[in-house]
Amino acid sequence: EAQVTQNPRYLITVTGKKLTVTCSQNMNHEYMSWYRQDPGLGLRQIYYSMNVEVTDKGDVPEGYKVSRKEKRNFPLILESPSPNQTSLYFCASSLAPGQPQHFGDGTRLSIL
Amino acid sequence: QKEVEQNSGPLSVPEGAIASLNCTYSDRGSQSFFWYRQYSGKSPELIMSIYSNGDKEDGRFTAQLNKASQYVSLLIRDSQPSDSATYLCAVKSDTGNQFYFGTGTSLTVIP
Repeated sequence: EAQVTQNPRYLITVTGKKLTVTCSQNMNHEYMSWYRQDPGLGLRQIYYSMNVEVTDKGDVPEGYKVSRKEKRNFPLILESPSPNQTSLYFCASSLAPGQPQHFGDGTRLSIL
Repeated sequence: QKEVEQNSGPLSVPEGAIASLNCTYSDRGSQSFFWYRQYSGKSPELIMSIYSNGDKEDGRFTAQLNKASQYVSLLIRDSQPSDSATYLCAVKSDTGNQFYFGTGTSLTVIP
C-alpha cells in the first residue's frame, strides 16, 4: 500500500530536549516536505526536499532541521524544542514538486 | 509573503445542494493548484489538481481556475453529509518549489 508513515503520532516532551520525528514514504517520490498546522494559520511549510541531499527552507524553518540521506526518509529534527513549536505536524511526498502531495497521518507534538 | 486566501466559513448547505468554495492567491505566475479535503483529526487528502485555465470535472467535483483573476474555486454538486469537512486550497510557488496553503473553509452539509 502506498503510504507516508510518520512516527511518533503523539509526543509530549519538555523544553530543550532534542527530538526527531521520522517520515518514510514507499512510493519512490522525489519531493518530500514538512508542514505544521496551527489553528487560524493553516498549513505552513517548514522544509522541503527535492531529492537526496537537496533540502530547502519553507516559510517557517526557524528551530527545525531536516536531512535527506535516503530517498524514502525525511526526518524532522527539533534540536532544542520550545513551547511555540507545539503543533500538529504533517509529512508529505509527491512524485515531483508540481504534483499532488500524499500526506502522512500527522504527529501531534506538545512541548511543555 | 505569498498568500492564499480562503473564506473560513463555516459554510452550510443542505444535502443535495451545490457547495461553492473559493480561493485567491497572490503569486501571479503560479501554475499548479490543488484542493484538499481534511476531516477533523485527519490528514489532508487530495480532491482535485488543476493546472490550466477553465474547468476540470471529476465526479461531483469541479475545479475552476482563472489565472488572470488569480482565482481558483471548487464546486461540489449534490452535496452529501460525508462532504462535511475543511477544504484546503494549495498553490505551488512560481519562483521555487514551495507550497502555500489557505487556512481552509469549513463546510457542513445538513441532512
